Amino acid sequence: GAVVSQHPSWVICKSGTSVKIECRSLDFQATTMFWYRQFPKQSLMLMATSNEGSKATYEQGVEKDKFLINHASLTLSTLTVTSAHPEDSSFYICSASDRLRRAGGEKLFFGSGTQLSVL
Amino acid sequence: SQQGEEDPQALSIQEGENATMNCSYKTSINNLQWYRQNSGRGLVHLILIRSNEREKHSGRLRVTLDTSKKSSSLLITASRAADTASYFCATGNFNKFYFGSGTKLNVKP
Repeated sequence: GAVVSQHPSWVICKSGTSVKIECRSLDFQATTMFWYRQFPKQSLMLMATSNEGSKATYEQGVEKDKFLINHASLTLSTLTVTSAHPEDSSFYICSASDRLRRAGGEKLFFGSGTQLSVL
Repeated sequence: SQQGEEDPQALSIQEGENATMNCSYKTSINNLQWYRQNSGRGLVHLILIRSNEREKHSGRLRVTLDTSKKSSSLLITASRAADTASYFCATGNFNKFYFGSGTKLNVKP
């Protein structure tokens, strides 16, 4: 199946610093990528939808200046948590759908997630 | 959750038993999907059922869909310890995908 690579797997940072998370589709073109946030024992909360070459669409309540999303190519989207605070500590997961529907365009393929801990 | 609720929130069964999880959603759908998540990992797609389908099978998985009740169920037959994971339903399209609250399944060997 299609592969989505997400890095880093975990990151620890100090309050006030910025953290960048990368999400790459390795063997398919992803017109659209989704960024989710997951708290322990809870479901995935959609943060934003990222379309290649255009601005991301953020869900209500998600600060676009806080969570910067860049989808510069059909295989790469990045999420930057700016001026991170302890309350930003969470599990962040990216996903992508296959533009050409080779693997069934409606399916999502997920990265392995990034555990962010802000001290 | 953004999507809807799943029940039960947690389910513990013995290996070999069947596990049934239910999902309710809020909006009209084109399809509904089920995903599995092992602890601290990304999600893996299990099965997709379209809005004009009522039941679908894949190996030990059986999914039903009732669009009039906006609900779906996932049945795992002859469960194995390796089925221990969280299971989520999801609805959406190319623009948005929302997930249910999830069911944490524990299969005891």
